[in-house]
Amino acid sequence: DAGVTQSPTHLIKTRGQQVTLRCSPKSGHDTVSWYQQALGQGPQFIFQYYEEEERQRGNFPDRFSGHQFPNYSSELNVNALLLGDSALYLCASSSRGTGLYEQYFGPGTRLTVT
Amino acid sequence: QQQVKQSPQSLIVQKGGISIINCAYENTAFDYFPWYQQFPGKGPALLIAIRPDVSEKKEGRFTISFNKSAKQFSLHIMDSQPGDSATYFCAASSPAGAAGNKLTFGGGTRVLVKP
Repeated sequence: DAGVTQSPTHLIKTRGQQVTLRCSPKSGHDTVSWYQQALGQGPQFIFQYYEEEERQRGNFPDRFSGHQFPNYSSELNVNALLLGDSALYLCASSSRGTGLYEQYFGPGTRLTVT
Repeated sequence: QQQVKQSPQSLIVQKGGISIINCAYENTAFDYFPWYQQFPGKGPALLIAIRPDVSEKKEGRFTISFNKSAKQFSLHIMDSQPGDSATYFCAASSPAGAAGNKLTFGGGTRVLVKP
């Protein structure tokens, strides 16, 4: 049973560029959440997708956008990258059938903005 | 308020000892409190979780104690092993409705278990 997978593992981008990160949820899960984890800090909630719609959003600017596909996989897009966007981006999946409470995280994508 | 405060930031414990990490929250709407373990370069792994209707939950060497009136909860790692050396995060979640839910994390505790 595959867990949550994310790609790519690492990414280096230049300030002002755009980036797309990808996530496949754990088998049987239908909901995907994205978190940003700065070095030495706890993860911060970006947004959550269910039925291909953004259901809840954290305190992040519109430069951060997402998408969920019919197979429940998801993408996180960040436009006009800033140096402060350098972080580990984590995807977590959960199931509405179990109340969404148990969120399982992928290994993350390490984004470095230079 | 959505904040979850975690302490200490770091701790060192001898092999076989007990590691204790504390968290406090403000939002009384929170109804699910998980703990995650994170190794360097990895994503957080769900360790154990508790609902506010119970005061304690134990799974193997890991125990959560929950004090609803004080709005505090803690993780106890019994018989700590060098392999337990990691960063631990507490988190909290409100009831999931049509708008979904999110986890609010504490700042993390770096635990080092000395052999």
